[in-house]
Amino acid sequence: QQQVKQSPQSLIVQKGGISIINCAYENTAFDYFPWYQQFPGKGPALLIAIRPDVSEKKEGRFTISFNKSAKQFSLHIMDSQPGDSATYFCAAERDSDYNTDKLIFGTGTRLQVFP
Amino acid sequence: DSGVTQTPKHLITATGQRVTLRCSPRSGDLSVYWYQQSLDQGLQFLIQYYNGEERAKGNILERFSAQQFPDLHSELNLSSLELGDSALYFCASSAGTGLYEQYFGPGTRLTVT
Repeated sequence: QQQVKQSPQSLIVQKGGISIINCAYENTAFDYFPWYQQFPGKGPALLIAIRPDVSEKKEGRFTISFNKSAKQFSLHIMDSQPGDSATYFCAAERDSDYNTDKLIFGTGTRLQVFP
Repeated sequence: DSGVTQTPKHLITATGQRVTLRCSPRSGDLSVYWYQQSLDQGLQFLIQYYNGEERAKGNILERFSAQQFPDLHSELNLSSLELGDSALYFCASSAGTGLYEQYFGPGTRLTVT
């Protein structure tokens, strides 16, 4: 059972455009929603994260929008740049000392930004 | 550079064999996590250790085991290897347990032939 569904699988955006990646989750006990960026040959790196008590979080060109009632959250990359070309993973986690809900990842979105 | 180191970078072995992957966490981090990344399963959490003790368990096969040593480095042992175990194995570390940022290492690419 896939607890975090991510779309689209791949995304092509022109430089300067807006990239939007969507995720939906099932477990209402999740209370931490990070986005990771992964370049080829590298490990994932935390990009931005949100807790469910806020509906939006912005860091530079990256914004997370969070809809608790719909159990959905999305990543918006404004003014997309070729250097943003990478695979993006959404994830969800439940704050608990011992559980199997440690960082459940979405399936990833491969973003390509063309000049 | 995340500060997490993993060795080896690449590993090629045959079915039925056993291998050990090693991870050194960032200085000061007490938690170590292991993840498997494959094309068909994506990124999956395997297991977490905190200060030497197992803390959380995910989709880890019984053929796989891990431990964290007093110096906080961790090893992931994979035995009776199958073709389907071919994947990237990532180690991550964080300051504590709970909702701390996880820093991922560069990964070990395992190929089982």
